[in-house]
Amino acid sequence: QSALTQPASVSGSPGQSITISCTGTSSDVGGYNYVSWYQQHPGQAPKLLIYEVSNRPSGVSNRFSGSKSGNTASLTISGLQAEDEADYYCSSYTTSSVIFGGGTKLTVL
Amino acid sequence: QVQLVESGGGLVKSGGSLRLSCAASGFTFSDYYMSWIRQAPGKGLEWVSYISTGGSTIYYADSVKGRFTISRDNAKNSLYLQMNSLRAEDTAIYYCARGVVDYWGQGTLVTVSS
Repeated sequence: QSALTQPASVSGSPGQSITISCTGTSSDVGGYNYVSWYQQHPGQAPKLLIYEVSNRPSGVSNRFSGSKSGNTASLTISGLQAEDEADYYCSSYTTSSVIFGGGTKLTVL
Repeated sequence: QVQLVESGGGLVKSGGSLRLSCAASGFTFSDYYMSWIRQAPGKGLEWVSYISTGGSTIYYADSVKGRFTISRDNAKNSLYLQMNSLRAEDTAIYYCARGVVDYWGQGTLVTVSS
């Protein structure tokens, strides 16, 4: 049950695009199409952004998109806005656990 | 709309016990797996446990196995987490979540003092 690997921090300017990676193994990210992404603002509960690798729940902006290649999943945020500044977590569901990434702090410059 | 409201957190001494509850509304509770996830102060998210719709399938993180017990009451639309033999490292906000995982509650803080 090792945590998925995410960069500790990323940054970008308003209007730019950024990508956050999430690396696991063939036993989690690579083995299932059950990768999710969450956004967490300080003092708040996490919010689902992406589920099953690339699907957006109703109400989530289409500026958020997800993909996966092999054992690495990615979250791309396009047209960065100030309110995107937050912590982002990936997760992978397996048949016996849910594994989270260590989290990535996004700074909007 | 989906609502998940946790309760039962508080301050407890090392070795003690607490029982967390989560009241669910806005969806058919018995149709969904349910999960507990925790977040230590200033740290990332850590999955704790999940339970299947009828309660027959349950999994735990290695860090809590043998000490924590997840359960549910579909008639009461409620999820529970019995936490025994608590340790300082169990100090965290505990979130109740639907499925694996979409909606989250606001969390309840558990503080274990040594």
